Amino acid sequence: GQNIDQPTEMTATEGAIVQINCTYQTSGFNGLFWYQQHAGEAPTFLSYNVLDGLEEKGRFSSFLSRSKGYSYLLLKELQMKDSASYLCAVRASGGSYIPTFGRGTSLIVHP
Amino acid sequence: DAGVTQSPTHLIKTRGQHVTLRCSPISGHKSVSWYQQVLGQGPQFIFQYYEKEERGRGNFPDRFSARQFPNYSSELNVNALLLGDSALYLCASRADGSGYGYTFGSGTRLTVV
Repeated sequence: GQNIDQPTEMTATEGAIVQINCTYQTSGFNGLFWYQQHAGEAPTFLSYNVLDGLEEKGRFSSFLSRSKGYSYLLLKELQMKDSASYLCAVRASGGSYIPTFGRGTSLIVHP
Repeated sequence: DAGVTQSPTHLIKTRGQHVTLRCSPISGHKSVSWYQQVLGQGPQFIFQYYEKEERGRGNFPDRFSARQFPNYSSELNVNALLLGDSALYLCASRADGSGYGYTFGSGTRLTVV
C-alpha cells in the first residue's frame, strides 16, 4: 500500500516564500505529482518528479529525494491567487500510471 | 480544444437511489480515471479504463461500477446511495505515452440527502 503525508493547513504572507512538504511510503516508486486545486475547481497539474533533485518552473519549484521518501513544493513571491489546496500524489511501480493522492495542504495567503 | 467535460455539474439524490455520472475525455485520450473527493480530503481512486477495459479498481464497494464507450467517454454508476457518497466526483483523462499528463474535469458535486 501507499501512505502519503502532508500538512493540513499553512498560512503565509503575500510576497513571501512557502515550502509545502510531502512524505510518502510506497512499495515501489514511479513518480511524484503536485497539483493545485482551488475551491470547487478541478486539480491542475503543477509538476512531476521522477529523479532526485530540484525542478524549477517559474515561481514554483518541486524537489524530490527518493531515498528519503520526501518531496516539497516551493512557492515564491506569493500572490493572493495562490490560496488553494496543494495535492501531493505518488505513482507506484506497475505500469498502471494511477497516482495516489495525499489529503492536500490548504494554503492561505494573506495581505 | 475542449478539456475534460463532466455532467451534470451538480446533483442531489435521496438515500437508496441510483446515480449515473458522465465524462468526456480530451479528444484522442483513451484512458479515463474516476476519483471521489470528500470535502477536505484528497481525491481517492475509484476506477481506471483504457480502450473500454477496466485497468484498475480502488477500494470501493460493488455499488460503484463504471464503463467506457467506443468513443472513450465514460460513465460512473453508483447504486443504493448512502449519505457518505456525498462528494465531488472527478474524471481525468490521459493521452497514450504520457505517463504523467493527467487532465481533470471540473467534477460533479453529488449530494445525498
